[in-house]
Amino acid sequence: DVKVTQSSRYLVKRTGEKVFLECVQDMDHENMFWYRQDPGLGLRLIYFSYDVKMKEKGDIPEGYSVSREKKERFSLILESASTNQTSMYLCASSLPLGQGASYEQYFGPGTRLTVT
Amino acid sequence: GQQLNQSPQSMFIQEGEDVSMNCTSSSIFNTWLWYKQDPGEGPVLLIALYKAGELTSNGRLTAQFGITRKDSFLNISASIPSDVGIYFCAGGGSGSARQLTFGSGTQLTVLP
Repeated sequence: DVKVTQSSRYLVKRTGEKVFLECVQDMDHENMFWYRQDPGLGLRLIYFSYDVKMKEKGDIPEGYSVSREKKERFSLILESASTNQTSMYLCASSLPLGQGASYEQYFGPGTRLTVT
Repeated sequence: GQQLNQSPQSMFIQEGEDVSMNCTSSSIFNTWLWYKQDPGEGPVLLIALYKAGELTSNGRLTAQFGITRKDSFLNISASIPSDVGIYFCAGGGSGSARQLTFGSGTQLTVLP
């Protein structure tokens, strides 16, 4: 079974703090994704990465950055947290394009971030 | 970004009833996926569909990939309390190859 883990289930940070959200997958997947989920807005893609040190902006990258130094690890960084970044953050991974079930994304349990 | 039209937004059903939900899009997809999300957890993949017209079952769940490649439906038969959660559809293969487009979700409540 694919396992995607996220460093924290719940996190409370103050406005202006730098926040790191970590995601690790154990299935040697090439692709990794960061989403945020808000009531009524569904899942919105922040950034994704299809290889080590590669990254692409999703639909809502403003206020976020990412790091992929190792294949299994994808970090989301909030440079200066703001209250409008209070949300549920979900990490996912998938196989590369051309390999069987490459569209199937497997999600971690999520990090509920509150910025006060 | 693009969104899929998923309906209904919410459903309240009696235990034992069958459930049906669907997703439609103005774009063609090569893949349709259905996920379930329990409260406070990440989405879990239920069914993946790769071929237009394909009908796939997973226990009490059945999903179909529409023949036009612009829609999909999910049926749950004989619902039980643990079916409670949010069900999401997702389409893959339209536009950027690695991304999925998600529906807004169907909140399912099963009444005893």
